[in-house]
Amino acid sequence: EADIYQTPRYLVIGTGKKITLECSQTMGHDKMYWYQQDPGMELHLIHYSYGVNSTEKGDLSSESTVSRIRTEHFPLTLESARPSHTSQYLCASSRMYRAEEKLFFGSGTQLSVL
Amino acid sequence: GENVEQHPSTLSVQEGDSAVIKCTYSDSASNYFPWYKQELGKRPQLIIDIRSNVGEKKDQRIAVTLNKTAKHFSLHITETQPEDSAVYFCAATFTGFQKLVFGTGTRLLVSP
Repeated sequence: EADIYQTPRYLVIGTGKKITLECSQTMGHDKMYWYQQDPGMELHLIHYSYGVNSTEKGDLSSESTVSRIRTEHFPLTLESARPSHTSQYLCASSRMYRAEEKLFFGSGTQLSVL
Repeated sequence: GENVEQHPSTLSVQEGDSAVIKCTYSDSASNYFPWYKQELGKRPQLIIDIRSNVGEKKDQRIAVTLNKTAKHFSLHITETQPEDSAVYFCAATFTGFQKLVFGTGTRLLVSP
């Protein structure tokens, strides 16, 4: 089934650890995004990509990095996690149809850094 | 820069009442305005959208209106039900930057 998948769903780690949040979509979308969101709060864009080998920083400053080597895969990496990184991370991909950009979101990764 | 303001931040209504959420945008060239609904613990999902060449669009109990001159658009929910309780996000496409910018969200609570 065409969808967008994020793993892990929940992650609890210690300060200073390196982590990678996975995001894959099977819809063939070119554009992909990472948002940071505290529960029920504003969506903060931290990274986006227009396609393979394209990555851009979003509006919210983030210490994370992303890569886009394959169309379907857009992982997010934190080199050294800190308690301030505790949040939910939502991945999304988009389909353009007649200049209408429709986003499809993954289920999110809830990250807790102790 | 591009900006979308959304009001109110929280809205409480009784079941059966109507709810209205309003957004304003800064770029007069914006041409696409979607609304997303995020239920508790779930992912945001597109519920309705409108293009700049249309003034109003309806889908059952929800409708969106657009006033291009004033640069604002609104979500209207009639006959609200408890399952309408969620956070609603408006958004606008900023053509110069080719990206969607979200409003800050409205938490809607529908009480039985």
